[in-house]
Amino acid sequence: DGGITQSPKYLFRKEGQNVTLSCEQNLNHDAMYWYRQDPGQGLRLIYYSQIVNDFQKGDIAEGYSVSREKKESFPLTVTSAQKNPTAFYLCASSYRSGDEQYFGPGTRLTVT
Amino acid sequence: QKEVEQDPGPLSVPEGAIVSLNCTYSNSAFQYFMWYRQYSRKGPELLMYTYSSGNKEDGRFTAQVDKSSKYISLFIRDSQPSDSATYLCAMRNFGNEKLTFGTGTRLTIIP
Repeated sequence: DGGITQSPKYLFRKEGQNVTLSCEQNLNHDAMYWYRQDPGQGLRLIYYSQIVNDFQKGDIAEGYSVSREKKESFPLTVTSAQKNPTAFYLCASSYRSGDEQYFGPGTRLTVT
Repeated sequence: QKEVEQDPGPLSVPEGAIVSLNCTYSNSAFQYFMWYRQYSRKGPELLMYTYSSGNKEDGRFTAQVDKSSKYISLFIRDSQPSDSATYLCAMRNFGNEKLTFGTGTRLTIIP
């Protein structure tokens, strides 16, 4: 059963703590993406990776970090430097960079 | 001014009606246009993917692109309660993997 999985579905953290969100895909897609969704705003790109061991900053990369050590996995770390980390985080992938993107179910992060 | 404008709604229509959802954009370089459906607390689901101007039909859904007016539409025929969701438009330039999203229109189909 192919698809994109994100875990956990809900995540709660205290301010000042780093937290890592998981994203895994078994679609054999080269490109992967991280977006953030806030009420009343469109999805905003945090980071993207066109290929293993390579990634680029998106529009709102400050306070976030990523790694792409395996084709299937693209974890996102929300660091304590991110000023407003509470949001719905969405991972996406595409067969190649520029192809249509398919999304995972999302992780809702709440930081208090 | 945002690059992509989308009326947030909410939009409520009776079951069986034709729904029209729209986005306008300012960047004339956009060439690829997408519509996503997003149910509450779920990830967006790709509905339609079109290139340049014209119409594309898939079942009850029709995507329409008018590049001269910088205007795209999604029509839903014979609307069903299961179509109740937020609809997001997205677009990008040729050779650019970055998508620019609208804010989404919340649609409710009333049985």
